[in-house]
Amino acid sequence: DAEITQSPRHKITETGRQVTLACHQTWNHNNMFWYRQDLGHGLRLIHYSYGVQDTNKGEVSDGYSVSRSNTEDLPLTLESAASSQTSVYFCASSDPRDTYNEQFFGPGTRLTVL
Amino acid sequence: QKEVEQNSGPLSVPEGAIASLNCTYSDRGSQSFFWYRQYSGKSPELIMSIYSNGDKEDGRFTAQLNKASQYVSLLIRDSQPSDSATYLCAVDRDSNYQLIWGAGTKLIIKP
Repeated sequence: DAEITQSPRHKITETGRQVTLACHQTWNHNNMFWYRQDLGHGLRLIHYSYGVQDTNKGEVSDGYSVSRSNTEDLPLTLESAASSQTSVYFCASSDPRDTYNEQFFGPGTRLTVL
Repeated sequence: QKEVEQNSGPLSVPEGAIASLNCTYSDRGSQSFFWYRQYSGKSPELIMSIYSNGDKEDGRFTAQLNKASQYVSLLIRDSQPSDSATYLCAVDRDSNYQLIWGAGTKLIIKP
């Protein structure tokens, strides 16, 4: 069955370190999204991609970067982790051929920055 | 004004009753509307999509859309304790593939 996976599921790191969160989907979806979820803020879009070599900034992109070298993967990198980036991170994907624009989520990564 | 608004709750409903969750949105160009369920510590799961004015039923769930009033709701009939979760409303952003998210309503079903 097609799916979307994230790794690691839990990560503890220190302020200033570079961290990369992986997202892999086997849906063959061109659209991929990274969100963070914090209490009181709901889901906030960090970066998104509509295909290979395409990346775009979302509403809370400062301190984060992504790259898209193939259809299946969209890794999220925190260049220099800050305590404010402690959060739960979700990756999602959607099929641009889908008229209804439904997004499907990975299981999430809980990141703690000490 | 937030683009998608939901009452944060918690909304407490007795088991077997109807739970009613509401969402308003500001983008008149939106065409697709979604309800996601999120259990504590889990990821959002799509449970209902609606694209036309009126009602759409799927088992115990009914989504209602009123584009003139910019209002979408989710009814859960015969509520079960397993329905206790946070329900997220999402609306597509006109002319691209992004979704605008509400902050969610926490639903508690009391046995």
